Amino acid sequence: ELKVEQNPLFLSMQEGKNYTIYCNYSTTSDRLYWYRQDPGKSLESLFVLLSNGAVKQEGRLMASLDTKARLSTLHITAAVHDLSATYFCVLQGAQKLVFGQGTRLTINP
Amino acid sequence: DSGVTQTPKHLITATGQRVTLRCSPRSGDLSVYWYQQSLDQGLQFLIQYYNGEERAKGNILERFSAQQFPDLHSELNLSSLELGDSALYFCASNRGGDNQPQHFGDGTRLSIL
Repeated sequence: ELKVEQNPLFLSMQEGKNYTIYCNYSTTSDRLYWYRQDPGKSLESLFVLLSNGAVKQEGRLMASLDTKARLSTLHITAAVHDLSATYFCVLQGAQKLVFGQGTRLTINP
Repeated sequence: DSGVTQTPKHLITATGQRVTLRCSPRSGDLSVYWYQQSLDQGLQFLIQYYNGEERAKGNILERFSAQQFPDLHSELNLSSLELGDSALYFCASNRGGDNQPQHFGDGTRLSIL
């Protein structure tokens, strides 16, 4: 069974700090997505990672994919309050998308 | 605004009833995906349609069914509703490729009393 596990599930940090969210998955896949969800809102696509070693950056967020380790990371640089949200790691399985539990990120001024 | 429209935004009904959720994809998108988000199960993929045909199936109950019409809008039908069906139901769309990001609607919040 394809499983996606995120770590940590809850993260409270101060503005200006750096942190990383980890996403481990159980079977081979070469397609992984990161989404953001604000409270009570819909999901916003952040990154699509298609191959081993892929790295994508958008503003203060950087995502990477290591298919050999079955690991993706979402790194936050110099966090700002606007990045407070829940972040989901999503894996493309065989004809199926599997979501991680989500990491609820709170950034305090 | 993602361009994906879901109606209604909120739905309150009773156990045993049947409801229909509607989704209009972004202009030009051929694929429609349905998801369920609940506190205990998290986000789960239910089903995907591509240009009117079912393409992939996830954790969709037999009491649930979906279809995509010639104009590409989609409907998710939920019947014999149970308390545990209370959740936020999202629709997403993309052009059709698995490597394309999906654009999500604002969701329909279903409450079963």
